[in-house]
Amino acid sequence: ETGVTQTPRHLVMGMTNKKSLKCEQHLGHNAMYWYKQSAKKPLELMFVYNFKEQTENNSVPSRFSPECPNSSHLFLHLHTLQPEDSALYLCASSQDHVRGAQETQYFGPGTRLLVL
Amino acid sequence: GQNIDQPTEMTATEGAIVQINCTYQTSGFNGLFWYQQHAGEAPTFLSYNVLDGLEEKGRFSSFLSRSKGYSYLLLKELQMKDSASYLCAVTDSNYQLIWGAGTKLIIKP
Repeated sequence: ETGVTQTPRHLVMGMTNKKSLKCEQHLGHNAMYWYKQSAKKPLELMFVYNFKEQTENNSVPSRFSPECPNSSHLFLHLHTLQPEDSALYLCASSQDHVRGAQETQYFGPGTRLLVL
Repeated sequence: GQNIDQPTEMTATEGAIVQINCTYQTSGFNGLFWYQQHAGEAPTFLSYNVLDGLEEKGRFSSFLSRSKGYSYLLLKELQMKDSASYLCAVTDSNYQLIWGAGTKLIIKP
């Protein structure tokens, strides 16, 4: 039990669909992260929220839209995705992003996304 | 550019010892992490090194040499459940976490 949950665990969508990924952390952390994990590639940091404020957007295409309504919940809204967006999307949390890169990040199990 | 290198895949025998290496070239250094990720599961924290030397934690140990830009994860008394990917990540001078692509470890009976 990592304390970070993600839904759905698997998602298949067409390029014209709109869907959302949900992440919830039960650890009382203040920072939350979205990562993309593709086979045999390093984790790619997509977005960072610290105290509900977006602090990083690593040149992510606008077809990915994050939302952080509170420190416990994080969403990733998807629309008009491309087949190359198929990957495992991981959510993580840490106590604080300012020190987050020196702190343990706690990951959710991920959403396996397939774009057809 | 910033880079983390680790072997793509390694194979070892149950009960044996295996060393997974990680070399890094980053703009500054503020710590190095090792995470374990079983197939289809979340990465989980194994170790954190910020000073040179060996950190031991049960069957797992992690070593760091900052002058060489090098770390290794040592797994002793291998068990089948140790079959997983092992991710190396370095915090650079801007407190960005730079990830390696991971090493898939296969344990054979």
